[in-house]
Amino acid sequence: AQRVTQPEKLLSVFKGAPVELKCNYSYSGSPELFWYVQYSRQRLQLLLRHISRESIKGFTADLNKGETSFHLKKPFAQEEDSAMYYCALNSGSARQLTFGSGTQLTVLP
Amino acid sequence: DAGVIQSPRHEVTEMGQEVTLRCKPISGHDYLFWYRQTMMRGLELLIYFNNNVPIDDSGMPEDRFSAKMPNASFSTLKIQPSEPRDSAVYFCATARTGAETQYFGPGTRLLVL
Repeated sequence: AQRVTQPEKLLSVFKGAPVELKCNYSYSGSPELFWYVQYSRQRLQLLLRHISRESIKGFTADLNKGETSFHLKKPFAQEEDSAMYYCALNSGSARQLTFGSGTQLTVLP
Repeated sequence: DAGVIQSPRHEVTEMGQEVTLRCKPISGHDYLFWYRQTMMRGLELLIYFNNNVPIDDSGMPEDRFSAKMPNASFSTLKIQPSEPRDSAVYFCATARTGAETQYFGPGTRLLVL
């Protein structure tokens, strides 16, 4: 069965500092991984997906199959990055996502 | 497009009452998902539909929960009878075949007293 683990429920960094939100997964097949973000009082929305290898709002995430990780990184955090971040795994053609428990990121001024 | 629409946005009810949550998907999206979000358990998939047919309801916590999708533009999630532990934010999300991205509604914040 698939599983997504986000070990940090809460993460605080200062503005301008690097930030890394950890995500590990377990899945026997070839995974598709995503990061979703939920800003305060807004709906959950896609931030980025590993398949497109893009950088969104300065965030990047690299799929490391050896370590079964998909950590989200940003070199210089901004206050507007404060939000809840969810790592998610799509485990096949069913289109259903398995979400991690989420990490609440707070960027301090 | 207004995106995924959910109603009501907030619901406060008493234990034992029936609760019905509603979702209108984005036009053309043939997958619809119901999620529950709590502080303790994060986001959990309850059930999802493809072309109005329930595909996987293994996440539905118990028989008190039921979901329907009578047509391509409407789905309901019903809790009967409701209990305080059902208090959570319930999200509806939709996607179209061939696309990986799910689009989420604003959620319904349910409080059962």
